[in-house]
Amino acid sequence: IAGITQAPTSQILAAGRRMTLRCTQDMRHNAMYWYRQDLGLGLRLIHYSNTAGTTGKGEVPDGYSVSRANTDDFPLTLASAVPSQTSVYFCASSDSTGRGNNEKLFFGSGTQLSVL
Amino acid sequence: ILNVEQSPQSLHVQEGDSTNFTCSFPSSNFYALHWYRWETAKSPEALFVMTLNGDEKKKGRISATLNTKEGYSYLYIKGSQPEDSATYLCAFDTGRRALTFGSGTRLQVQP
Repeated sequence: IAGITQAPTSQILAAGRRMTLRCTQDMRHNAMYWYRQDLGLGLRLIHYSNTAGTTGKGEVPDGYSVSRANTDDFPLTLASAVPSQTSVYFCASSDSTGRGNNEKLFFGSGTQLSVL
Repeated sequence: ILNVEQSPQSLHVQEGDSTNFTCSFPSSNFYALHWYRWETAKSPEALFVMTLNGDEKKKGRISATLNTKEGYSYLYIKGSQPEDSATYLCAFDTGRRALTFGSGTRLQVQP
């Protein structure tokens, strides 16, 4: 089934540990995004990539890094997890040129991360 | 940081009621306004992408209007059904970067 796959579905992590959340899409969308969802705050953009080989910072990038080695994969890494990074993380993609973005987003099913 | 606000935060209606919610966004640097429907335990799904002032979109019992000059969009649901229960998100698009989402309106439709 075409779409976006995120892994893991959920994870409990000790503070200070490194963690990579995986995101893969098979729709050949050029743009990909990572959002975090926190109660009362909606979806906040962490990092984005308009095309393979490029990335950019979103609203809340601190403590996170991303890479975009190819079109399909957009992993999000927490180098040293802290409790404030406890959240639900959503990966999304869109068929956007990056010069304008009025194409709808397709979302993965989310990763529930708890940092203790 | 772009300010995208949605009201009300939550809404409880009876089956058959019609309802509407508001999304307010900056009136400058407008490129598009998105509406998404987010059911519990699922991922957000796109309802509409609106680009022109005065735009009206319709999908079944759900419709949306757009006023870019004053910076607001309304989402209407006619004859609400229990399956309409979800969080409705709007997102503002400047065309330069990723979307900025509002915090959503949570709708509960009682049978």
